[in-house]
Amino acid sequence: QKEVEQDPGPLSVPEGAIVSLNCTYSNSAFQYFMWYRQYSRKGPELLMYTYSSGNKEDGRFTAQVDKSSKYISLFIRDSQPSDSATYLCAMTRRSGYSTLTFGKGTMLLVSP
Amino acid sequence: IAGITQAPTSQILAAGRRMTLRCTQDMRHNAMYWYRQDLGLGLRLIHYSNTAGTTGKGEVPDGYSVSRANTDDFPLTLASAVPSQTSVYFCASSPGLEVDTQYFGPGTRLTVL
Repeated sequence: QKEVEQDPGPLSVPEGAIVSLNCTYSNSAFQYFMWYRQYSRKGPELLMYTYSSGNKEDGRFTAQVDKSSKYISLFIRDSQPSDSATYLCAMTRRSGYSTLTFGKGTMLLVSP
Repeated sequence: IAGITQAPTSQILAAGRRMTLRCTQDMRHNAMYWYRQDLGLGLRLIHYSNTAGTTGKGEVPDGYSVSRANTDDFPLTLASAVPSQTSVYFCASSPGLEVDTQYFGPGTRLTVL
């Protein structure tokens, strides 16, 4: 079993839809969870950072962590064509000088 | 502020040749990382450095070497390139603090023939 599993998609939605992107993981030691967005032929950029379980909201984006189920989600409200990108989840066991374990990414396509 | 710069942007290389990918950051971050990204395999860590003068191996270090002579620069060298090293290479850096998020460069697209 891979440490981090993420459906590669593509996930196609119409503009304005609510999008749910998910990752599951197997290592219960992971405590810090991140979502990165990667546009085509660009480097990943950090979207959200969450510690332990709970929700975190930033504008149209909400990150949710359920450590009991080893499941994390990223919700995008009122999706826009500019949200079309690949979304990568990442996680690590500790803060500071830590290497990240990435999911393979989910490609999201938002049509006008 | 440029953040992280990588050079070259892309390169076609003959197998057996030596190649150095350059990475420079201007954020004074302590930690730096090299990843390769391949379709279907995602991002995989090659080497990392927590501070100048130290380096460590990641998930796929074979065939690659790094050095960290100062805080800003973290070059990745392929001593004798092979076609399986065809990939997109990303350099990243992080402060090494409690909220230790990584910031990525724009990538180098390398093709080994």
